Amino acid sequence: DTGVSQDPRHKITKRGQNVTFRCDPISEHNRLYWYRQTLGQGPEFLTYFQNEAQLEKSRLLSDRFSAERPKGSFSTLEIQRTEQGDSAMYLCASSLGGLAGGANEQFFGPGTRLTVL
Amino acid sequence: AQKVTQAQTEISVVEKEDVTLDCVYETRDTTYYLFWYKQPPSGELVFLIRRNSFDEQNEISGRYSWNFQKSTSSFNFTITASQVVDSAVYFCALSEVEGGADGLTFGKGTHLIIQP
Repeated sequence: DTGVSQDPRHKITKRGQNVTFRCDPISEHNRLYWYRQTLGQGPEFLTYFQNEAQLEKSRLLSDRFSAERPKGSFSTLEIQRTEQGDSAMYLCASSLGGLAGGANEQFFGPGTRLTVL
Repeated sequence: AQKVTQAQTEISVVEKEDVTLDCVYETRDTTYYLFWYKQPPSGELVFLIRRNSFDEQNEISGRYSWNFQKSTSSFNFTITASQVVDSAVYFCALSEVEGGADGLTFGKGTHLIIQP
């Protein structure tokens, strides 16, 4: 199966520590997205890449958050100096975007559940 | 700013009943896309349908059907003859194309419980 994969699936950390998550998109997909989902809420958009370029960042993405997609394939999301409010499920999605724009369906990974103690 | 409202927090029906999940959206763009996703207890979001703003035709896929009405800014989802396996949280989402990024704006979801 070549769906979107995320690693780790679960992460428990202490407040103030840094954490890094990885996302491997579907191989032919050029767009990659990060979302955050808290209990009882829908996913909230954080940022997205077209190939290696980070084209949009939500206001939700504070300075403590940074995302990269260095070779246009996998992506990492790092959170520095974690806070208890960062506890959430972090979802990655990928899609095949055309030059003409438009919004193709996004395929989601299983998510990384972060717990900050 | 774009917004998606799913007013029904939770719906519980008995198996084989029909059920409709409501979705109302707000956008200033004339070109946009609407989506429905299913999130079963396992947690992984599953894509169900995409509809662009210029295509108001209703769609049917097996027991699932979608009713898109621009006049009321609604994109409702109906499950006919519901089954226990349909139990999940269902999300409606919107993507504005003209605004640039096509990150999805999700509603808060409707938790659908199908009782045997």
